[in-house]
Amino acid sequence: DTEVTQTPKHLVMGMTNKKSLKCEQHMGHRAMYWYKQKAKKPPELMFVYSYEKLSINESVPSRFSPECPNSSLLNLHLHALQPEDSALYLCASSQAQTINRHYGYTFGSGTRLTVV
Amino acid sequence: DQQVKQNSPSLSVQEGRISILNCDYTNSMFDYFLWYKKYPAEGPTFLISISSIKDKNEDGRFTVFLNKSAKHLSLHIVPSQPGDSAVYFCAAVDSGTYKYIFGTGTRLKVLA
Repeated sequence: DTEVTQTPKHLVMGMTNKKSLKCEQHMGHRAMYWYKQKAKKPPELMFVYSYEKLSINESVPSRFSPECPNSSLLNLHLHALQPEDSALYLCASSQAQTINRHYGYTFGSGTRLTVV
Repeated sequence: DQQVKQNSPSLSVQEGRISILNCDYTNSMFDYFLWYKKYPAEGPTFLISISSIKDKNEDGRFTVFLNKSAKHLSLHIVPSQPGDSAVYFCAAVDSGTYKYIFGTGTRLKVLA
């Protein structure tokens, strides 16, 4: 299995809803990432988990809450989002996240989120 | 402040010819560079990478060139095929934080 699987593929939610995005990989990767991509913009890093511990939070608003229940799963819990949070949310994984050793990421197909 | 720039938002190339995609960066702490390809409705796919200690890396039809003094890298695709039509992102890795910084992307269209 060489894939990162994201569910759901599309999500429409109201500003008062609570929803979760899910990401799963079975490649034994120990680093997992959440990126946000707006139209015609590059992916922007949100969170990094390394060995199931949050290692980077790019000053993301608290209405986004990541969770890494185990080494294969990564969730992004959403609550009280704004319309400007509508974007493609990409999950990625890599073998490791260590200085001087860089590996290409494997990305999922993303969740297209629309906040109404 | 965009630290990684791809100044050409789009590029059209005839099938069989060379495609050259360019990327410029500003941060001298970047020490590793990668190219990703993205089809619609799919996540980016890792294509090829290069370390700052090299100036060229080749993998089949894809070659990446790095000019450190100019802070410029390019991706050459030879020969270009219609299936190469996609958005190409360059990414740079900050050696201090090992975070990836993506460029804005170039949409390549290979005409049959």
